[in-house]
Amino acid sequence: DAKTTQPTSMDCAEGRAANLPCNHSTISGNEYVYWYRQIHSQGPQYIIHGLKNNETNEMASLIITEDRKSSTLILPHATLRDTAVYYCIVNLGANSKLTFGKGITLSVRP
Amino acid sequence: KAGVTQTPRYLIKTRGQQVTLSCSPISGHRSVSWYQQTPGQGLQFLFEYFSETQRNKGNFPGRFSGRQFSNSRSEMNVSTLELGDSALYLCASSTGTDLILNTEAFFGQGTRLTVV
Repeated sequence: DAKTTQPTSMDCAEGRAANLPCNHSTISGNEYVYWYRQIHSQGPQYIIHGLKNNETNEMASLIITEDRKSSTLILPHATLRDTAVYYCIVNLGANSKLTFGKGITLSVRP
Repeated sequence: KAGVTQTPRYLIKTRGQQVTLSCSPISGHRSVSWYQQTPGQGLQFLFEYFSETQRNKGNFPGRFSGRQFSNSRSEMNVSTLELGDSALYLCASSTGTDLILNTEAFFGQGTRLTVV
């Protein structure tokens, strides 16, 4: 079973920030929070990951709460091409078994 | 550099047949994982290979098997196909040099298998 809980769907306007929440209350101390996304009919794409500290890369920012029980993925300026299913995963590492939940469907509207 | 390559992209098979899918990981990556994606069950982990050895296995019947070659390329095989095996089969590669690591997995485009 997935160790994360995400809303089923959300939408945002193009150009605005998209804030995608994730709960992972049972995360253990050595597990990372990973975010992947899957655009229709393509393989999942890595976005970002973190352990304790907030992280930022060219795609997104990841905000992890101090108790590590939840996190938020932020797409600062959503575009139509960001419409996808976003998966929040807690895992020991990228090459161990990734357990995907149902993810959250983000719809970016013009 | 080239990404993860899966062949074929599409496949139609008949119940009872067997099928072999191929995955070429990113050059230098030694870990290859396989996933099955269906509308009902979502993305499910099948198995992971590292240096020609199966290192992790998901909860799938023995009809699903795989192997990895010395060049890290991997194949998965499904025998005695059932209608329920119709799915998108995805392969992911990563460096795999350490179980606890902080690098990403790179996914291929997948093979769409239809069993009729």
